[in-house]
Amino acid sequence: AQSVAQPEDQVNVAEGNPLTVKCTYSVSGNPYLFWYVQYPNRGLQFLLKYITGDNLVKGSYGFEAEFNKSQTSFHLKKPSALVSDSALYFCAVRVPNFGNEKLTFGTGTRLTIIP
Amino acid sequence: DSGVTQTPKHLITATGQRVTLRCSPRSGDLSVYWYQQSLDQGLQFLIQYYNGEERAKGNILERFSAQQFPDLHSELNLSSLELGDSALYFCASSAGKTNQPQHFGDGTRLSIL
Repeated sequence: AQSVAQPEDQVNVAEGNPLTVKCTYSVSGNPYLFWYVQYPNRGLQFLLKYITGDNLVKGSYGFEAEFNKSQTSFHLKKPSALVSDSALYFCAVRVPNFGNEKLTFGTGTRLTIIP
Repeated sequence: DSGVTQTPKHLITATGQRVTLRCSPRSGDLSVYWYQQSLDQGLQFLIQYYNGEERAKGNILERFSAQQFPDLHSELNLSSLELGDSALYFCASSAGKTNQPQHFGDGTRLSIL
């Protein structure tokens, strides 16, 4: 079975400071990892993914994430936070399996950027 | 705009009733996924269709069913509704390849009174 943990329900960061949203995963096999963001009354918006290759992946809106196989982590980062980054962030994992591409999501982390 | 369209945006109904949620995937996407988002269960995968065929099933109740039509739109049917079915129901679509992201619609908020 595959699972994702987001250990922090809430993260508060001052505007302009670097931010990190944590994610760890558990799968059998090599994972495909994703980050999504959800704004109020909206669906999930894709930010970035790790499939293979370079452990540091860059995505939308200046976000990046680092895949760490030994720590089974995929933390989301941004060098300088904006107030508009305030939202709910979800980490998700999928095991490459033709015929079943379901995503397993973490419980989400609410990010608040303080002006 | 993700390109995935869900209707209706809001649905209010009573226990015991039946509703149908509709999803139009992004142009060219063959896979459609349904998810349920609730406060106590989080985001749960329900079911996936690929080009009209059921491909994977998750935590979908027997009272729920789905289908994907030849034009690739999908419908999720929820019957004998209970208070606990109140949730946000999301549809997502993708090209169907495992390394491609899923793109989500804005969801249908279902409220059971």
